[in-house]
Parts: sequence; structure tokens; C-alpha cells
Amino acid sequence: DAKTTQPTSMDCAEGRAANLPCNHSTISGNEYVYWYRQIHSQGPQYIIHGLKNNETNEMASLIITEDRKSSTLILPHATLRDTAVYYCIVRVGYGGSQGNLIFGKGTKLSVKP
Amino acid sequence: DAGVIQSPRHEVTEMGQEVTLRCKPISGHNSLFWYRQTMMRGLELLIYFNNNVPIDDSGMPEDRFSAKMPNASFSTLKIQPSEPRDSAVYFCASSFGSSNQPQHFGDGTRLSIL
Repeated sequence: DAKTTQPTSMDCAEGRAANLPCNHSTISGNEYVYWYRQIHSQGPQYIIHGLKNNETNEMASLIITEDRKSSTLILPHATLRDTAVYYCIVRVGYGGSQGNLIFGKGTKLSVKP
Repeated sequence: DAGVIQSPRHEVTEMGQEVTLRCKPISGHNSLFWYRQTMMRGLELLIYFNNNVPIDDSGMPEDRFSAKMPNASFSTLKIQPSEPRDSAVYFCASSFGSSNQPQHFGDGTRLSIL
């Protein structure tokens, strides 16, 4: 079972920031938070991941709360092409369980003009 | 840079036929994963390899499914004989190392068994 809880769907206006929340209250100390998205008929696309510090790359920012029980993915200027299902996943970052990316149902983000 | 390459993109075949899906991971990646996605069950891990060796095949549904990785740049997922319930999108992903590096996915093979 997925260890995360995400809203089923969200809307965002084009050009505005999209803030996608994720709850992971049972996260362990050695588990990372990963975000992927899946645009219709394509493979899941890696966005960003982090352990406890906030992270930023060319696609997005990841804000993790101090207690690590929740996080927010921020797309700073959403475009129509960001419409996709966004998955928040927690997993350990080493060893034998390396294959265990467990995808839940994700959040369907709709960016509207 | 080339990403994970899967072939074919689409496959339609009749029940009972053998199906072979192919995957070329990103060069330099040493872990490879096969996933299956359906509306009912979402995205599920079938098997993963590390340094060409199968590490965990607990997600393989049954003996009709088999996967091989003869070298670092090629893997196959075979279904023999195929059944209509095998219809799904099959994704291959690869990653570097055994640490926290992310997996990168191909665009999948959409398989329809009639």
C-alpha cells in the first residue's frame, strides 16, 4: 500500500504557482520523498526528491516540513503542459528495497487557461 | 541524451501467442525495472535487476511471465502464452546505483491481447 495521502484532483490557473500537498505521517528516518508525474499516454517522469531539506531544480521545488510528515511540490509558473497526474512516493534510498517505488492514485492537476 | 527506449510502442496479438517486450536502459545505469499499469491496479512493479541480476521478481504474476537481462544495455519481458487479462501498458525504468537515485521511465508498450 502507498504510504502517502494526496488530494484526488486540483485545478490551477495558467501562469500561477501550483502547490501540490502530500501527507506521509508514517515516514521513516531513512525514507526519501519522491515526486513523479504522468502525462497521458507517457511514462512517469521524475520531478524531484528529498530527504529533509527543501530542494529545487529546473522543474519544481520541494518543501518538506520539519517533522517530515508532509511535503508540498511547487510548480512556480504552471503551464497547460503541466496538466498530469502527480505522484508523491516515499521509499528508502538504498539496498534491497531499491525497486519498491509504490505508486498510489496521485493528484490529477488540471491547469486551465 | 537518450532516455529509456522501449519497443514496440504498441502490440496487438491474439490470445495464446508469445509476446516479447524490449527495453534499452539509459547508458551507465545499472538497475532496471519492469512495471505494469492497468486502470484497476495502477502501476505495479513486476521485477527489477541490479547489475544484470534479477533481485526481486515477486511482482511477476505467474509462470507465463519471464524477464531476462543478458547484458547491461538490453532486457526483455516475455509472456507465453498471452491472455486477454495481460492487456496493459508495460513500462521499463532504469536508475544508477543502489542508493537514492531516481528511476527514469520509458514511454511504455501498450499491449492488447485479443
